[in-house]
Amino acid sequence: EIVLTQSPGTLSLSLGERATLSCRASQSLSSSYLAWYQQKPGQSPRLLMYGASSRATGIPDRFSGSGSGTDFTLTISRLEPEDFAVYYCQHYGSSLWTFGQGTKVEIK
Amino acid sequence: QLQLQESGPGLVKPSETLSLTCTVSGGSISSTYNYWGWIRQPPGKGLEWIGTIYYSGSTYYNPSLRSRVTISIDTSKNQFSLKLSSVTATDTAVYYCARHGGGGGSYFVLGYWGQGTLVTVSS
Repeated sequence: EIVLTQSPGTLSLSLGERATLSCRASQSLSSSYLAWYQQKPGQSPRLLMYGASSRATGIPDRFSGSGSGTDFTLTISRLEPEDFAVYYCQHYGSSLWTFGQGTKVEIK
Repeated sequence: QLQLQESGPGLVKPSETLSLTCTVSGGSISSTYNYWGWIRQPPGKGLEWIGTIYYSGSTYYNPSLRSRVTISIDTSKNQFSLKLSSVTATDTAVYYCARHGGGGGSYFVLGYWGQGTLVTVSS
């Protein structure tokens, strides 16, 4: 079973800054099955990225994803007020769906 | 537009069975290739996938919960359900139902989510 480890736990940044979030897998995985979600307080998670680098419908282009093998990254190019939230990576493999523990992006 | 709504008791006693239902509107639960899932989130913590049911009835469970989980589907009511037996305080969480796919992704992502329902395990 693949374990996803996200870092950092919390990222403190200012509006307009660039955010770089990491998701590391315990073993190599297919980027086709790596996704990212955003969750704001009191809300359900929202799909942001799938296939590691494809934006879900309606997601602005300041969000981008990259990576392969065991290391994946979610980048927010310029933080907007609505981007401060918790972000989770997620993997599918062998009929199992697994989440990372999350990275909180907070206002500095 | 597809909508999912969880329902069920908000309080369950230790050792009893937690039962939740997800009602789907705006689409058919038996549409081909649809997967339907349950995910939970303990207060202040991260997301944990519980299990998934395919439209045909095939099920997939988190190995850590497999011995206690049953997910079923009722196509006549456009609903699917979760049963988690022998609950303890560690099962206290917000429980979400979701549909796999959507947003451009396929069954390997969760594109549609219900609003979630808090279930507390306490005597």
